[in-house]
Amino acid sequence: GQQLNQSPQSMFIQEGEDVSMNCTSSSIFNTWLWYKQDPGEGPVLLIALYKAGELTSNGRLTAQFGITRKDSFLNISASIPSDVGIYFCAVPGRSNFGNEKLTFGTGTRLTIIP
Amino acid sequence: ETGVTQTPRHLVMGMTNKKSLKCEQHLGHNAMYWYKQSAKKPLELMFVYNFKEQTENNSVPSRFSPECPNSSHLFLHLHTLQPEDSALYLCASSQEHEGNQPQHFGDGTRLSIL
Repeated sequence: GQQLNQSPQSMFIQEGEDVSMNCTSSSIFNTWLWYKQDPGEGPVLLIALYKAGELTSNGRLTAQFGITRKDSFLNISASIPSDVGIYFCAVPGRSNFGNEKLTFGTGTRLTIIP
Repeated sequence: ETGVTQTPRHLVMGMTNKKSLKCEQHLGHNAMYWYKQSAKKPLELMFVYNFKEQTENNSVPSRFSPECPNSSHLFLHLHTLQPEDSALYLCASSQEHEGNQPQHFGDGTRLSIL
């Protein structure tokens, strides 16, 4: 099946630092999604990318759809305490039954050190 | 507020108990999903309901039984679960057949099997 390699698995940073994470695959996709999951809550969509090379921002978050269509990047500038959580990349696809399904990366856990 | 509400938020049950998880979406979507999220593993798709019809069972054991009485409500009936079933169970919804529309998640039910 499809597999998304997300890195790094975890990050320990100080408040104010910039953050970069990425997601790669051996397959080509037409859409890349980035979700964030706060402790005790479900994933929330941050950014959706629909075109190769696209660069999209949401506040301090910027995501890019890789030109090869096999990867995507998420950057967070000037991190703040509420950025703590797990960030997931995801790609839509079709299951063997023809249903739309999301494949998720393994996540990047972001921790801010006091 | 994501528009997808799950109850209960936490559930502790013995292996011989029968319980149900509930999900309700207020987004007017026509597809609903159950996912399992275990520690250090990607989200695993369990079931897909499209237009109230179950269209996918992703090799889930029969001790998990889904029910979708209408396009806004989704249940997951649990019986004779095993300790390895302890996990966060997430419900999601989306609008199928409109391109790669992102899925919207509830906050999940944290299930612990004693």
